[in-house]
Amino acid sequence: DTEVTQTPKHLVMGMTNKKSLKCEQHMGHRAMYWYKQKAKKPPELMFVYSYEKLSINESVPSRFSPECPNSSLLNLHLHALQPEDSALYLCASSQSSLIFTEAFFGQGTRLTVV
Amino acid sequence: EDQVTQSPEALRLQEGESSSLNCSYTVSGLRGLFWYRQDPGKGPEFLFTLYSAGEEKEKERLKATLTKKESFLHITAPKPEDSATYLCAVRIQGAQKLVFGQGTRLTINP
Repeated sequence: DTEVTQTPKHLVMGMTNKKSLKCEQHMGHRAMYWYKQKAKKPPELMFVYSYEKLSINESVPSRFSPECPNSSLLNLHLHALQPEDSALYLCASSQSSLIFTEAFFGQGTRLTVV
Repeated sequence: EDQVTQSPEALRLQEGESSSLNCSYTVSGLRGLFWYRQDPGKGPEFLFTLYSAGEEKEKERLKATLTKKESFLHITAPKPEDSATYLCAVRIQGAQKLVFGQGTRLTINP
């Protein structure tokens, strides 16, 4: 099983709202990632968690706040977003960020900020 | 600077017309090259992993190859359901970062 589950699939939020995106995997992977993808562009790395610790933050604005409660779960907390933050948000996991294996992606959350 | 470049940006083929997609890279120490397929509005679907020059992987109508500077995704006798964006990605920075090329949008006409 190579499934990464993301919820919700679609989200519409106002600029003053607080919402969270959730990601779950049960493959025993110890690296988890958040990516942002705009239309007709490749996925762009936002955060990397390795063994539940944040290891890479690609200078993402503080209105995006990641959290890794345990090795199977990854959240992305959203607050005071801007319309330009509307995008497909992808979660991925891999065996470890220290070995060179493939990452598996969820189906994404389509976020619209109004 | 680490860079991944895919070509062409878009490719239209007739059903059954074989072709190749290219992914060239300039990275300081390749830690794996990966091919993904992405359908509109969906997450990337993993296809292949390649680690060393000369390596080849096959799956149905797709075959991926790797040299020291580039990778090719060969598609043989494609069908309309092969239409998608094909992304290549490389691991850099001690393998923690997975960085994508711009992708090739492939359309197979019946």
